[in-house]
Amino acid sequence: NAGVTQTPKFQVLKTGQSMTLQCAQDMNHNSMYWYRQDPGMGLRLIYYSASEGTTDKGEVPNGYNVSRLNKREFSLRLESAAPSQTSVYFCASRWLSPYNEQFFGPGTRLTVL
Amino acid sequence: DQQVKQNSPSLSVQEGRISILNCDYTNSMFDYFLWYKKYPAEGPTFLISISSIKDKNEDGRFTVFLNKSAKHLSLHIVPSQPGDSAVYFCAAPRSSGGGADGLTFGKGTHLIIQP
Repeated sequence: NAGVTQTPKFQVLKTGQSMTLQCAQDMNHNSMYWYRQDPGMGLRLIYYSASEGTTDKGEVPNGYNVSRLNKREFSLRLESAAPSQTSVYFCASRWLSPYNEQFFGPGTRLTVL
Repeated sequence: DQQVKQNSPSLSVQEGRISILNCDYTNSMFDYFLWYKKYPAEGPTFLISISSIKDKNEDGRFTVFLNKSAKHLSLHIVPSQPGDSAVYFCAAPRSSGGGADGLTFGKGTHLIIQP
């Protein structure tokens, strides 16, 4: 099992450009999440999908959109990138039943110039 | 307003000794807590968790203690090994009821194990 995979690993954008970060999991998990991590900060939740067909905002959703394409895939889109979105982005997944841990992907390092 | 706080950005411990990482929280509704370990350029990996109905959970060299009255938890690593050098995050579900709506994280503590 590959677990949680993310593409791309690195990306450099110019201000105003758009891009989509891809995430897929092969653990048959119901719930999927997008976090960002900035220097000196913990991870902050951007959006989540508790189950296939649902998406909800997290702590820092502004400037982002998400799509739960199917049970395996959950993408994060930046429509018009800004320097403040320079960060490392992590996708995670877990089973829906309570008190389960989340499994994280390796991250995408995004720089917006 | 951060609900999970790790007030020590870094901690240096000699190999073989005990490492103690601390975490404080403000929301008394939190019903379980998790510790994650993160190496550079990798995603966080789950280490150990504890339910609010317990005051201790142990897994090999790792033990987490929960003091609900003080809203404090700590992670003990005994004995510390070089591979334990990493950033450790304390986390809790954003709302009670199992965590489907994601986790809230502390800022992390960078543990350095010295030979």
